[in-house]
Amino acid sequence: GDSVTQMEGPVTLSEEAFLTINCTYTATGYPSLFWYVQYPGEGLQLLLKATKADDKGSNKGFEATYRKETTSFHLEKGSVQVSDSAVYFCALSDGQNFVFGPGTRLSVLP
Amino acid sequence: DAGVIQSPRHEVTEMGQEVTLRCKPISGHNSLFWYRQTMMRGLELLIYFNNNVPIDDSGMPEDRFSAKMPNASFSTLKIQPSEPRDSAVYFCASSRPGLADVTDTQYFGPGTRLTVL
Repeated sequence: GDSVTQMEGPVTLSEEAFLTINCTYTATGYPSLFWYVQYPGEGLQLLLKATKADDKGSNKGFEATYRKETTSFHLEKGSVQVSDSAVYFCALSDGQNFVFGPGTRLSVLP
Repeated sequence: DAGVIQSPRHEVTEMGQEVTLRCKPISGHNSLFWYRQTMMRGLELLIYFNNNVPIDDSGMPEDRFSAKMPNASFSTLKIQPSEPRDSAVYFCASSRPGLADVTDTQYFGPGTRLTVL
C-alpha cells in the first residue's frame, strides 16, 4: 500500500539557518503530495501541496518540489524563524487513500 | 468561511463514562475524517466518511468506539465506556474530492483534548 517516510526528528536549528526536511513516498499512480504544519496546541494546517510531477508548492517561504524520479517531496526554507518551530507532516493522496508521514519536529533557537 | 468546527475543545471524564465528540465539516465538503493523536502512536486515522457513508473504519480501535454522520453537516465520535488509554487529542478533518475520488486536501479542526481519569 501507499506509504510516506520522513526524516526522524527532532531537528534543531538556529534562527536564519537553512532548513531541509526529507520526505519520500511509495504509491501507485500519481498521487498529490502535501506538507502540513502543526503548531503547539493546534490542529494540522495545510502548508503547501503539489499535484503533479515537477510542480513546486510554496507558502510562507517554504518550498517543496514533486520529484517523481526519486519519489520525493523535500521541504525547504532558506531562513527559518523561531516562529517556524512546529511539527511538519508530509502526506499523499491517491484519491482513495490519504496517508500521513510520522511527522518531524522542528525547533528553531534564537 | 468557517473552518471545521469541533466541540468540546476539552473534555475530562472518568473511566466508564460515555464521551461524545462532535464535528461540523466545512460547508460543501463531502468527505470527513476522524483522527486520534498521542505522543506514543502519533496521528492515527480512525474512520472516514464520503457522502455520509463510512468508507473505512479499520482504524477504529475496538467496539467501544463508534462514529456516525447523520447528515452532511454533522458527525459524532462516541466512546462507551471510556478508558484512561483513550486519552488523546481527537481531530476531525474534511475535504471535497473530485467526483471519482474520496480523498483530497484535508482541512483540520482544532481538535478535542480528551482526558479519561
